[in-house]
Amino acid sequence: KQEVTQIPAALSVPEGENLVLNCSFTDSAIYNLQWFRQDPGKGLTSLLLIQSSQREQTSGRLNASLDKSSGRSTLYIAASQPGDSATYLCAVTNKLIFGTGTLLAVQP
Amino acid sequence: SQTIHQWPATLVQPVGSPLSLECTVEGTSNPNLYWYRQAAGRGLQLLFYSVGIGQISSEVPQNLSASRPQDRQFILSSKKLLLSDSGFYLCAWSVPEKLFFGSGTQLSVL
Repeated sequence: KQEVTQIPAALSVPEGENLVLNCSFTDSAIYNLQWFRQDPGKGLTSLLLIQSSQREQTSGRLNASLDKSSGRSTLYIAASQPGDSATYLCAVTNKLIFGTGTLLAVQP
Repeated sequence: SQTIHQWPATLVQPVGSPLSLECTVEGTSNPNLYWYRQAAGRGLQLLFYSVGIGQISSEVPQNLSASRPQDRQFILSSKKLLLSDSGFYLCAWSVPEKLFFGSGTQLSVL
């Protein structure tokens, strides 16, 4: 049974810091891994999708990596801004299993 | 471009009352459709998914049901709401394997 875990559950950083969010999964037989952002009381916004054949994807200040063999994905946020404050979720999309998320607060 | 509409945004219902949440997708055909629930402080739980009209798969036994009367319409229902049905309900679609979410419905059962 696939399980997805995100560490840390919550993170607070000062503005401008680079940070890494972690996502681990127990079954390496995945199709894709997708990172989402969720603002309070809102739906999920897709940030990055990494296909199983890829090792990383980049969009602006965001970089997501995927290591299937170790069952890990990381989301790197460069030069964090207060507007980055949100909950970040990863999901193994073929199994539709989500992690519980990391609540990020970027302090101005 | 594809868009997903979900309504209402918020809903307060008494215990024992019925429920109907609707989700429609535009700009695509034959999408896979999903209903998720997010309880306070917890992750997203997949409730139902549908790969076509009239085809519904349930992931967990519960007080809820789902229907897909049209290709791009997905409805979540209950005949009698329970307190434990409170949560944030999200509709999503995928084609293929990438998920897109609606804006969600905050349901409070009192």
